[in-house]
Amino acid sequence: AQSVTQLGSHVSVSEGALVLLRCNYSSSVPPYLFWYVQYPNQGLQLLLKYTSAATLVKGINGFEAEFKKSETSFHLTKPSAHMSDAAEYFCARLNRDDKIIFGKGTRLHILP
Amino acid sequence: DAGITQSPRYKITETGRQVTLMCHQTWSHSYMFWYRQDLGHGLRLIYYSAAADITDKGEVPDGYVVSRSKTENFPLTLESATRSQTSVYFCASSESSAGRTDTQYFGPGTRLTVL
Repeated sequence: AQSVTQLGSHVSVSEGALVLLRCNYSSSVPPYLFWYVQYPNQGLQLLLKYTSAATLVKGINGFEAEFKKSETSFHLTKPSAHMSDAAEYFCARLNRDDKIIFGKGTRLHILP
Repeated sequence: DAGITQSPRYKITETGRQVTLMCHQTWSHSYMFWYRQDLGHGLRLIYYSAAADITDKGEVPDGYVVSRSKTENFPLTLESATRSQTSVYFCASSESSAGRTDTQYFGPGTRLTVL
């Protein structure tokens, strides 16, 4: 089955440090991929999406993700973490039937 | 500038009762979706709708019913609530098909507890 796997249900980084959230997808055909963020008690917001136009995708709030076909990965990064980045992050992919499948999420904690 | 709203935001009900969760969007988006969010499962699609009067099942449709008589509304009904349906429910909408180049916009969620 087509899916995405997020490595680590919780990630902690210090304020100012690099943020790296990992996502791997299963498929031999490069899919459309997304990263969504969910702040406490809110719905999800789209951070960025990969639609095969460029392998490095820039999103909102300083986040970016790089599509690596050889590694079947779409990791999310931010050079310098801010306290306001504390949230849950979901990697997602578009399935053949045009439905989005979400990963289980990674909760990002920012340490002062 | 309401966007997409859900009501109620919180609901407590008892096993066997019928519950309807409301979703309203002001953008005239064609597509609307219902997801449930549970710890350890991420978000799972319950039902979606491509347009008024067109609905289709998602990954976990059992125990749920939807309707879409108007483009802007997409209510989700639990006909006979069960404890396993305790969850946070999110409604979303997009201009067209679920991914491609279109963004899904999410409502704030409804936290449902079934006792």
